[in-house]
Amino acid sequence: DGGITQSPKYLFRKEGQNVTLSCEQNLNHDAMYWYRQDPGQGLRLIYYSQIVNDFQKGDIAEGYSVSREKKESFPLTVTSAQKNPTAFYLCATGRQGQGNSPLHFGNGTRLTVT
Amino acid sequence: RKEVEQDPGPFNVPEGATVAFNCTYSNSASQSFFWYRQDCRKEPKLLMSVYSSGNEDGRFTAQLNRASQYISLLIRDSKLSDSATYLCVVNNDMRFGAGTRLTVKP
Repeated sequence: DGGITQSPKYLFRKEGQNVTLSCEQNLNHDAMYWYRQDPGQGLRLIYYSQIVNDFQKGDIAEGYSVSREKKESFPLTVTSAQKNPTAFYLCATGRQGQGNSPLHFGNGTRLTVT
Repeated sequence: RKEVEQDPGPFNVPEGATVAFNCTYSNSASQSFFWYRQDCRKEPKLLMSVYSSGNEDGRFTAQLNRASQYISLLIRDSKLSDSATYLCVVNNDMRFGAGTRLTVKP
């Protein structure tokens, strides 16, 4: 989706290092989400934010942190506390309070930690 | 019980077959439902919304059964290009099902 930019596409890190994944959007959507996907599995919600300066934990928030200082940006930090960080990370955005509003996804970041 | 559950498949069908997937949800207050398609190593892309009265888009039909709390996706006249993983999502919770893998074979 051209309106959501995730960078980088591939990221390699050594175990024990924190790493921050970028997600920027120009869709003017209030809500932003981070999901994790492991091979052959579905999407699991890590964190989400429905408004600037506010965010909530999803189902698997442990070992991750986020910030939402600007409407356009929702970076995800994978900390060294995350036991199995290697995965495909997807950022999504959506309109809030507008009924039947689907999510829009970025192209994702593949993180490999060795 | 998980918020959203799908039969993971895989579904292996011949070209031209009709195939249907279901997705059950636990939150009876859920209002919005969608089907997404995800190709291998790509991000999910919106396939179609699911409306209360049911809706159709070409070979694809989506239906909602509120009483039994499930949505369905029917694909008629399957094409090779329909091979993908199909994900359902319940908008209120933003939770996805695990996805159903479909392979259409010649």
